[in-house]
Amino acid sequence: DAKTTQPTSMDCAEGRAANLPCNHSTISGNEYVYWYRQIHSQGPQYIIHGLKNNETNEMASLIITEDRKSSTLILPHATLRDTAVYYCIVRVSRGGYQKVTFGIGTKLQVIP
Amino acid sequence: SAVISQKPSRDICQRGTSLTIQCQVDSQVTMMFWYRQQPGQSLTLIATANQGSEATYESGFVIDKFPISRPNLTFSTLTVSNMSPEDSSIYLCSVEDAGQEEAFFGQGTRLTVV
Repeated sequence: DAKTTQPTSMDCAEGRAANLPCNHSTISGNEYVYWYRQIHSQGPQYIIHGLKNNETNEMASLIITEDRKSSTLILPHATLRDTAVYYCIVRVSRGGYQKVTFGIGTKLQVIP
Repeated sequence: SAVISQKPSRDICQRGTSLTIQCQVDSQVTMMFWYRQQPGQSLTLIATANQGSEATYESGFVIDKFPISRPNLTFSTLTVSNMSPEDSSIYLCSVEDAGQEEAFFGQGTRLTVV
């Protein structure tokens, strides 16, 4: 399985953009980058995913470098409700289905 | 998106006893997964549950300790057997269907063993 590295924690001022980096230097050509977040006492929530092109949805944007060895999740206007642990995951296939392996993630604290 | 209901949401149990956690999905799904999240830690995959066959366990987890049932495409149970305080964790159910692009998670069961 490809592994990811993320900073353990980050702070972001409310209303500002939160940029969460992730390194995945051993990613394979057919593996996607996924982001999930886990708000305290809840189950993980899917945010966004991408293969090699930048992606945007109503929650966030995902910027993947051309060599695909790193990516950045962008929350354009962070709110206090975005305080959570953010997990960057590279998905692998196992028997035709996707096995999700979680690292330690980045604990994002949005500050008023 | 799939809606997942886990029961119980939390429990306090005596050591040496067993607890069965239920995971109910509002739609038929191919794969169901069980995770453990120990205090302050990330999620660790326990096993993958297929309907009609034995669960596939990850390294460090065994069927005698964590028996799993998957009687149909919308339901699964995880039993934590002969519990000790080290089993105190959040246990999460996750589902994914073939061709889906993301996994969905339940809210978890917070287990405390005393």
